[in-house]
Amino acid sequence: DQQVKQNSPSLSVQEGRISILNCDYTNSMFDYFLWYKKYPAEGPTFLISISSIKDKNEDGRFTVFLNKSAKHLSLHIVPSQPGDSAVYFCASRWSGGGADGLTFGKGTHLIIQP
Amino acid sequence: NAGVTQTPKFQVLKTGQSMTLQCAQDMNHNSMYWYRQDPGMGLRLIYYSASEGTTDKGEVPNGYNVSRLNKREFSLRLESAAPSQTSVYFCASAGTRWREQYFGPGTRLTVT
Repeated sequence: DQQVKQNSPSLSVQEGRISILNCDYTNSMFDYFLWYKKYPAEGPTFLISISSIKDKNEDGRFTVFLNKSAKHLSLHIVPSQPGDSAVYFCASRWSGGGADGLTFGKGTHLIIQP
Repeated sequence: NAGVTQTPKFQVLKTGQSMTLQCAQDMNHNSMYWYRQDPGMGLRLIYYSASEGTTDKGEVPNGYNVSRLNKREFSLRLESAAPSQTSVYFCASAGTRWREQYFGPGTRLTVT
């Protein structure tokens, strides 16, 4: 069963507008959430993260919002630029003992239209 | 400062062959990880090493072994490759498990 879900496989946004990427999770033991950006034939690149004790984190054009009661987070990119076209992965970290590592969603392919 | 490097970039194996994927990081990180990514899927954790001298299984460890050779290097071995292991393999490292992970460029493996 998928614990981290990105329900939109792709998203098309006009250059200069806001891009909003969504992510839902099912496990309340996740305590830290990250967004990664991936270009074809490259490894994922860390973008921004948020701890479960916060509801917002901002870094330049990127803002991540966390709604713990809804188990939902979103990544806002404002304004969207052509170089933002990539696959975006939401990832969560388990706070309990046992296996380390991140749990990833399947990704959303963001396409910025000129 | 190269970050996380992986070799080889591409590999084709026949069923039953063995090979080792190499990973090295130059960021003095304690934690290292191996993930695989299949088409249309997110990354899944194979094995990880929280610190030099320790390794643990992740979500999909069957068919793989790992070695944390020293603080810099973490290798992934396929003893008898199977077509189900056709995938893109990513190595990652982090200062500690509580910090963000940095990924290498990946190894694209095809098993025929």
